[in-house]
Amino acid sequence: KNEVEQSPQNLTAQEGEFITINCSYSVGISALHWLQQHPGGGIVSLFMLSSGKKKHGRLIATINIQEKHSSLHITASHPRDSAVYICAVNANTGNQFYFGTGTSLTVIP
Amino acid sequence: DTGVSQDPRHKITKRGQNVTFRCDPISEHNRLYWYRQTLGQGPEFLTYFQNEAQLEKSRLLSDRFSAERPKGSFSTLEIQRTEQGDSAMYLCASSRLQGNGYTFGSGTRLTVV
Repeated sequence: KNEVEQSPQNLTAQEGEFITINCSYSVGISALHWLQQHPGGGIVSLFMLSSGKKKHGRLIATINIQEKHSSLHITASHPRDSAVYICAVNANTGNQFYFGTGTSLTVIP
Repeated sequence: DTGVSQDPRHKITKRGQNVTFRCDPISEHNRLYWYRQTLGQGPEFLTYFQNEAQLEKSRLLSDRFSAERPKGSFSTLEIQRTEQGDSAMYLCASSRLQGNGYTFGSGTRLTVV
């Protein structure tokens, strides 16, 4: 069993739709990260959360520490949002990430 | 300093050859991480350095793999006697402190033919 589970694995949306990607984890964490990976492979860090909610433009990330669950929301989705979104956690024992397998998002014009 | 740089971006090599990748982290970051990502999977941890000390190594890092960070700045990852199963994206990340924000490089895509 993976320490980090994401759903869905694949998601296709029409431009303008509201999108939610979910992440559940099974280990104690010091922080949770949402990452965006484009087809070329480069990864960009979107959010780092340890509690509550963060917003950046059309992106919103929330975390519920008690339920060990986080969500990434994209409002008014756009084709340029098409990418793989990866959830990763810093376990609070040790110094590494555990990664989800990613959610591949395609936004159709 | 515009971020974490990895070189080369792509590498195609014949099975059995040795390859070396380089990662230049953000200059003030004292932690540097190597990950490997195969198709359809999230990145897998390989190893990490704090300054020049290699503090943790994954079991994935077989004897054919070695990583160094001799002066606590750039790091190299060498794979000896490459195998087709080594084909993957090799990602480098750096951070200042644990849980204090990570920056990833664009990765080196290795193809072993």
